[in-house]
Amino acid sequence: EPEVTQTPSHQVTQMGQEVILRCVPISNHLYFYWYRQILGQKVEFLVSFYNNEISEKSEIFDDQFSVERPDGSNFTLKIRSTKLEDSAMYFCASSGQGGTEAFFGQGTRLTVV
Amino acid sequence: GQQLNQSPQSMFIQEGEDVSMNCTSSSIFNTWLWYKQDPGEGPVLLIALYKAGELTSNGRLTAQFGITRKDSFLNISASIPSDVGIYFCAGQRGNRDDKIIFGKGTRLHILP
Repeated sequence: EPEVTQTPSHQVTQMGQEVILRCVPISNHLYFYWYRQILGQKVEFLVSFYNNEISEKSEIFDDQFSVERPDGSNFTLKIRSTKLEDSAMYFCASSGQGGTEAFFGQGTRLTVV
Repeated sequence: GQQLNQSPQSMFIQEGEDVSMNCTSSSIFNTWLWYKQDPGEGPVLLIALYKAGELTSNGRLTAQFGITRKDSFLNISASIPSDVGIYFCAGQRGNRDDKIIFGKGTRLHILP
């Protein structure tokens, strides 16, 4: 069964450092998303990406965040200067043309120290 | 903001019991989704609902899209130990590629 894969599974970084979270969406999907989940809380939307551009972003997705699809398979989330409050699980998701349901990856646990 | 109010927050039940949880919103949703999340994993879609009034089953799970499009419930019949986890309701206001808005989750515990 096709799946969304995310790497790394766990990343520890020092405050102020840049991190890049990587995702390989399902191969024929066209819509890509990042969500985050602070420990013990609900899953929150960050950004959606379609046709090589951001289609929507939340208020969480400020200038410190950026997304990129550098090639035909990867979808990345970059946080330029991490803060302690960026510590969370980050989930990538993708969905296909015509409105198939979004599939989520296993997540990357980001710990900022 | 777009809030989904999910209840209960947590449930403690005996194995074999039926479970019911629900979600309400002040806004209309075009799609209602129910996900399960196990510890350290991503949300896994259980049931998707696309039409007001729709009742859909997936094994022991049954979910309904409320007629007002502002609520949904999920029932689990004859619970088993592997049902333990967090269940999230979620919705989409636009098309199926729209962002997903999640509720705060219902944590299900099953007593031996």
